Amino acid sequence: DARVTQTPRHKVTEMGQEVTMRCQPILGHNTVFWYRQTMMQGLELLAYFRNRAPLDDSGMPKDRFSAEMPDATLATLKIQPSEPRDSAVYFCASGLSEDRAFFGQGTRLTVV
Amino acid sequence: AQKVTQAQTEISVVEKEDVTLDCVYETRDTTYYLFWYKQPPSGELVFLIRRNSFDEQNEISGRYSWNFQKSTSSFNFTITASQVVDSAVYFCALSSYGGGADGLTFGKGTHLIIQP
Repeated sequence: DARVTQTPRHKVTEMGQEVTMRCQPILGHNTVFWYRQTMMQGLELLAYFRNRAPLDDSGMPKDRFSAEMPDATLATLKIQPSEPRDSAVYFCASGLSEDRAFFGQGTRLTVV
Repeated sequence: AQKVTQAQTEISVVEKEDVTLDCVYETRDTTYYLFWYKQPPSGELVFLIRRNSFDEQNEISGRYSWNFQKSTSSFNFTITASQVVDSAVYFCALSSYGGGADGLTFGKGTHLIIQP
């Protein structure tokens, strides 16, 4: 049963530290999305890639966030330096053409 | 810009009651897709349904049914004979190209509480 895999599932870090979240999309999917869920903002799209190239990152704070796809099997979302307001659940999703996106289980990030 | 409004922040009903979750959307696209997701306390996003804007037929899946009305830009979700396991946050969402090729615009969610 194909699924999107996110690691770690939970992360607690101190303010100022670098955080890297990883996502393994479903094999064959050519689009990868990063979403963030907070109580205040709800679920919002941060960025997405098509065939490993960034297509839209307008939802992502540019100063401290970066997203990459080193290869077709790995997407990363990095926060440096992290701040308490970055505490959220980060979801990765992958998709193909006009099919729906499939979501991972999320990474719950707490910055103290 | 696209927008999804779920005006009901929280709904609480007693088990076996029917409950309807409202969703109103805004888009300038002539073709678009509508979605419902369930987020149980465990936190994952569970896909429930995707609807193309050209298909206005209502859909029923077991105790779940969806009413799509283009004239009022609404895509409401009804649970018949609710059960405690239906307790979750439900999200309505909108996309231009199906969701797999573009991003989803989510509503704020409706927290559904089913009391035994």
